[in-house]
Amino acid sequence: ETGVTQSPTHLIKTRGQQVTLRCSSQSGHNTVSWYQQALGQGPQFIFQYYREEENGRGNFPPRFSGLQFPNYSSELNVNALELDDSALYLCASSFVKGEAQYFGPGTRLTVL
Amino acid sequence: KNEVEQSPQNLTAQEGEFITINCSYSVGISALHWLQQHPGGGIVSLFMLSSGKKKHGRLIATINIQEKHSSLHITASHPRDSAVYICAVKTSGSRLTFGEGTQLTVNP
Repeated sequence: ETGVTQSPTHLIKTRGQQVTLRCSSQSGHNTVSWYQQALGQGPQFIFQYYREEENGRGNFPPRFSGLQFPNYSSELNVNALELDDSALYLCASSFVKGEAQYFGPGTRLTVL
Repeated sequence: KNEVEQSPQNLTAQEGEFITINCSYSVGISALHWLQQHPGGGIVSLFMLSSGKKKHGRLIATINIQEKHSSLHITASHPRDSAVYICAVKTSGSRLTFGEGTQLTVNP
């Protein structure tokens, strides 16, 4: 039990739609990272937020965006969904930037 | 070539066997993580290493910074150890770069 929760657990959308995934970190965790894990592959870094500001971004297009809130929750938004966006989306938070990350259980997104 | 390579990709063992999973990386790192992922997706952090060796129960992780190589060992393996084991390296800031994982199956 890492104390990091994600919602929803599973989600089905159609191509072109928009989706918002949510992550709730442990109290005091001011850094959150989002990862995309396609089936059979390792997770890929999407972006990181530190104290509500984006603090690094992986090789993902601008239709992937995020927010971090003062209550240690965060969101991943994906616009104009494509079939290849089908994946497990993981968030991970840490108390101090650069230290051990605690992963949530993930949201499995299916785009039809 | 991936920045983080794991071997083997798949591993099947009998209960009680000693297991080794290897990880090689090609970039400068500040730390290396070993993670465990069960079916359904949840990831648990097993170790974070920057040098030497760490032990937790039946799990041992080692890292050789000069050779850019790390190993995860499981002694007296058990069917409940069956999972995907992922090596991830910390490069800039908190960004993690992951290997593709090793699927371990331990048969009773």
